[in-house]
Amino acid sequence: NAGVTQTPKFQVLKTGQSMTLQCAQDMNHEYMSWYRQDPGMGLRLIHYSVGAGITDQGEVPNGYNVSRSTTEDFPLRLLSAAPSQTSVYFCASMGRQGAFGELFFGEGSRLTVL
Amino acid sequence: GQQVMQIPQYQHVQEGEDFTTYCNSSTTLSNIQWYKQRPGGHPVFLIQLVKSGEVKKQKRLTFQFGEAKKNSSLHITATQTTDVGTYFCAGPWTGNQFYFGTGTSLTVIP
Repeated sequence: NAGVTQTPKFQVLKTGQSMTLQCAQDMNHEYMSWYRQDPGMGLRLIHYSVGAGITDQGEVPNGYNVSRSTTEDFPLRLLSAAPSQTSVYFCASMGRQGAFGELFFGEGSRLTVL
Repeated sequence: GQQVMQIPQYQHVQEGEDFTTYCNSSTTLSNIQWYKQRPGGHPVFLIQLVKSGEVKKQKRLTFQFGEAKKNSSLHITATQTTDVGTYFCAGPWTGNQFYFGTGTSLTVIP
């Protein structure tokens, strides 16, 4: 199994540009999420989804959109990139094993906004 | 907002020395998880603690959950260079998300 796959691994954008970070998982997990990681800030939740067609906001949702049309895919869209969105982005999924389980992370997407 | 506070932020140890990172909460945690992130890598799940006073071991790693379920610790005995990375606690599971601590970055000096 590939697990959680993120693309691209690296991206440089100019302020105001838009882009989509792709995330796909092949474990049939219901729960998927996007985190951003900044130095000294840990991992902060942007958006999450508990199943196809259902999404909700996390701790830092402003400037980002998500959709969940299939169980496998959970893309993150930056509508108008800003330098404050320079970060490392991780997609993570989790199977609903009882009340909770472990998060499986993708390898990350390193985004620089100039 | 932040549910768990993690200390220290950085730790440098000589190879062979012990290392401990702590995770604290002002409220009772239903559960807590620990993850390790190697430099340039992604977080990888290590363990989950659920019961009050629980202690779990993975080789040289010892994980503890406090009696009041408000704190947890990860202790590494006799560190090795392979232990280098950032260790995160995460908790509690709220039904739709985890809250991650800010992490402890461990450097092991050979």
